[in-house]
Amino acid sequence: DTEVTQTPKHLVMGMTNKKSLKCEQHMGHRAMYWYKQKAKKPPELMFVYSYEKLSINESVPSRFSPECPNSSLLNLHLHALQPEDSALYLCASSLSAGAPYEQYFGPGTRLTVT
Amino acid sequence: KNQVEQSPQSLIILEGKNCTLQCNYTVSPFSNLRWYKQDTGRGPVSLTIMTFSENTKSNGRYTATLDADTKQSSLHITASQLSDSASYICVVTDPNFGNEKLTFGTGTRLTIIP
Repeated sequence: DTEVTQTPKHLVMGMTNKKSLKCEQHMGHRAMYWYKQKAKKPPELMFVYSYEKLSINESVPSRFSPECPNSSLLNLHLHALQPEDSALYLCASSLSAGAPYEQYFGPGTRLTVT
Repeated sequence: KNQVEQSPQSLIILEGKNCTLQCNYTVSPFSNLRWYKQDTGRGPVSLTIMTFSENTKSNGRYTATLDADTKQSSLHITASQLSDSASYICVVTDPNFGNEKLTFGTGTRLTIIP
């Protein structure tokens, strides 16, 4: 199984809402990533978890809050977002974060903030 | 300035024809260089991954080349199919963060027409 799953596929939320994005993998990978991608732009790294610990935070605003409850699951909690946060949010995983292992991407969650 | 530049930005070719996409990078040193295919609204899917010591890597109709001296890579697609229509992204591993941080190129949008 080389699949990274993400739910929901689409999400529309207001600026006062609280919502969460979910990412799951069952490949035994110990590194998981959140990316944000705007239209016609490359993905931008947001967070990296290595062995369930946050190892990289790319100065992401606090309205985005990541969580890694276990080695298979990665959440992104959203609160008080702005319309400019509308984007495709991609999750990825790799066997390890410390070596040149392949990153496997999920299909993404299309987020629209109204 | 992006450390990974791709050309052309977009390309339209007839089904069955070959094409070559270019990638120039300034990230140095680097661990590996990858080519990803990304369908619109979906997550990137890996096509090839090469270390700095490899010159060429094939995956079916996709062949990637790497010249670490000139810091150039190319992706050659043979006998294009309609399903090849996608964005192709060149990605270089940031050596300061091992595999955790990827430097994404600007992408080439490829359209195959019947």
